[in-house]
Amino acid sequence: IAGITQAPTSQILAAGRRMTLRCTQDMRHNAMYWYRQDLGLGLRLIHYSNTAGTTGKGEVPDGYSVSRANTDDFPLTLASAVPSQTSVYFCASSRTSSGGSNYGYTFGSGTRLTVV
Amino acid sequence: AQSVTQLGSHVSVSEGALVLLRCNYSSSVPPYLFWYVQYPNQGLQLLLKYTTGATLVKGINGFEAEFKKSETSFHLTKPSAHMSDAAEYFCAVSGPNTGGFKTIFGAGTRLFVKA
Repeated sequence: IAGITQAPTSQILAAGRRMTLRCTQDMRHNAMYWYRQDLGLGLRLIHYSNTAGTTGKGEVPDGYSVSRANTDDFPLTLASAVPSQTSVYFCASSRTSSGGSNYGYTFGSGTRLTVV
Repeated sequence: AQSVTQLGSHVSVSEGALVLLRCNYSSSVPPYLFWYVQYPNQGLQLLLKYTTGATLVKGINGFEAEFKKSETSFHLTKPSAHMSDAAEYFCAVSGPNTGGFKTIFGAGTRLFVKA
């Protein structure tokens, strides 16, 4: 079934450690996104990529980095984890058109990260 | 800048009753509007969307939403709630004023369905 695969599904991480959350899609979508979901705050955009080779900062980028070496993969790296990065992380992708993204997003199942 | 407001963080209905989840957006130009549903321990799933054309849009699982430009609203409804509808619902907006058509999500409304 076409979709997005995120790994790991959950992780407990010591503060100060480096961690990479993996995201792979098989739909050949141009655009990919990383969101974090926190209770009462909804989803907040961390980083995005409109096409392979380009990335951009979202609403809450500090402490996170991304890369987009190819169309399918969009890993999110926490260079030095802090407890405030405890959250559920969702990767998403979408088709894009010349007028913008109006097709809606496909989401992965999420990674639950706890930083202690 | 565009924003999305969902009225009510929690809504409780009885099984068989009408479901109404409210969403208002702020935008100076007609946006693209979406509703997503999230079941426990899962990612978000697109329920329905409005881009252009007919203002009443139908989605999966019997849900529908109506785009009302004069009220800047995009409320989600379902005539008869089912226990399986219990989930969290997110309204979202995308358009030229969201920074390159990125999607902005509301804070979510959790729907409870009582037997």
